[in-house]
Amino acid sequence: RKEVEQDPGPFNVPEGATVAFNCTYSNSASQSFFWYRQDCRKEPKLLMSVYSSGNEDGRFTAQLNRASQYISLLIRDSKLSDSATYLCVVNMGRDDKIIFGKGTRLHILP
Amino acid sequence: NAGVMQNPRHLVRRRGQEARLRCSPMKGHSHVYWYRQLPEEGLKFMVYLQKENIIDESGMPKERFSAEFPKEGPSILRIQQVVRGDSAAYFCASSLTSGVREQFFGPGTRLTVL
Repeated sequence: RKEVEQDPGPFNVPEGATVAFNCTYSNSASQSFFWYRQDCRKEPKLLMSVYSSGNEDGRFTAQLNRASQYISLLIRDSKLSDSATYLCVVNMGRDDKIIFGKGTRLHILP
Repeated sequence: NAGVMQNPRHLVRRRGQEARLRCSPMKGHSHVYWYRQLPEEGLKFMVYLQKENIIDESGMPKERFSAEFPKEGPSILRIQQVVRGDSAAYFCASSLTSGVREQFFGPGTRLTVL
């Protein structure tokens, strides 16, 4: 099993729809989880941290399922500007080593 | 408050030349991370440095690649005798503390090896 795995997509979603994607991780000792967003040919930017209790920031909701070892990102009322690649980031719990997933590409269609 | 700065933004080298990529972390940040992103691939960790120390270089190729973060000045990623496979985007990130919390990325250097 890969350390961090994401469906590469692309997810083609009409504007206004809700979309969700998951990221699985292999190390049960992982401590910290994040979602980053990367626009084409730009640097990644932190979107949100993922807490055990789940967290919400506007239209975005992130959740952690430790039992099944995955995190999820839900985007409601999607906008054209949400089109990007979403990177799952996992701290492996040792030496603060972090692993980036390859990303899930999201295209919001007008 | 200036963000993470990287230069050059684009770098073209011929096979066999040296490439030097520079990264100035955000003000007050003493932790620097270098990543490489190949076309259509995810980010791959290369090296983690604090001032004057390499903390983790487990992602660095064993040959031709080196990194430093001197007491004064930017962090440098150096690639000697570049080959076509080195063509990629190289991102630098900095953080106030260790770990992945609030890592801020620079705009990247796009290296093209002819």
